Amino acid sequence: AQSVTQLDSQVPVFEEAPVELRCNYSSSVSVYLFWYVQYPNQGLQLLLKYLSGSTLVKGINGFEAEFNKSQTSFHLRKPSVHISDTAEYFCAVSDSLLFYNQGGKLIFGQGTELSVKP
Amino acid sequence: GAGVSQSPSNKVTEKGKDVELRCDPISGHTALYWYRQRLGQGLEFLIYFQGNSAPDKSGLPSDRFSAERTGESVSTLTIQRTQQEDSAVYLCASSRGGSEIYEQYFGPGTRLTVT
Repeated sequence: AQSVTQLDSQVPVFEEAPVELRCNYSSSVSVYLFWYVQYPNQGLQLLLKYLSGSTLVKGINGFEAEFNKSQTSFHLRKPSVHISDTAEYFCAVSDSLLFYNQGGKLIFGQGTELSVKP
Repeated sequence: GAGVSQSPSNKVTEKGKDVELRCDPISGHTALYWYRQRLGQGLEFLIYFQGNSAPDKSGLPSDRFSAERTGESVSTLTIQRTQQEDSAVYLCASSRGGSEIYEQYFGPGTRLTVT
């Protein structure tokens, strides 16, 4: 079964510094990959997704992620963070071969709490 | 337009009682999902509805959990004889079908506390 590991539960960083949130998944079969963000007291929002094509994916708010099949990773990066990026970030994966037959069922990681300090 | 809404936002119940959680998906979204988020953990898939197809119940943790959906609208998640380990935030999400099924829109969740 698929599983997702977010290697850091908490990442503190100063404003305007770069950040990388790490995500590894278990399966080597074709996958769809997602990053969701949950701001305090709000629901989850889709930040970016990888379905196919270019391995570098750009999302909202200046975030990007790179799909690395050989390392089964999908790390999230931002070159310069803002206070407003403080939130919890979730990596998620779905088996693409089953996606359309079995729906968009997502397997989530445990989340990384990004805390941006002034 | 309106997003996914869930009610109640908070529910405190005594162990052994039944609870019912409600989800109103975005209008026109044919797919609906329930997830559970325990404290300090990621989201755990519970159940998925797509149109008139049989729901995917593979994530329901026990037979105390059940869910229904009326057509392509409201869904209710029912937990019978609640236990303390059922305490969690229950999240509902919806998406369009077809090629847009991957983009799920989440509600704010219902925080369930079983005492």
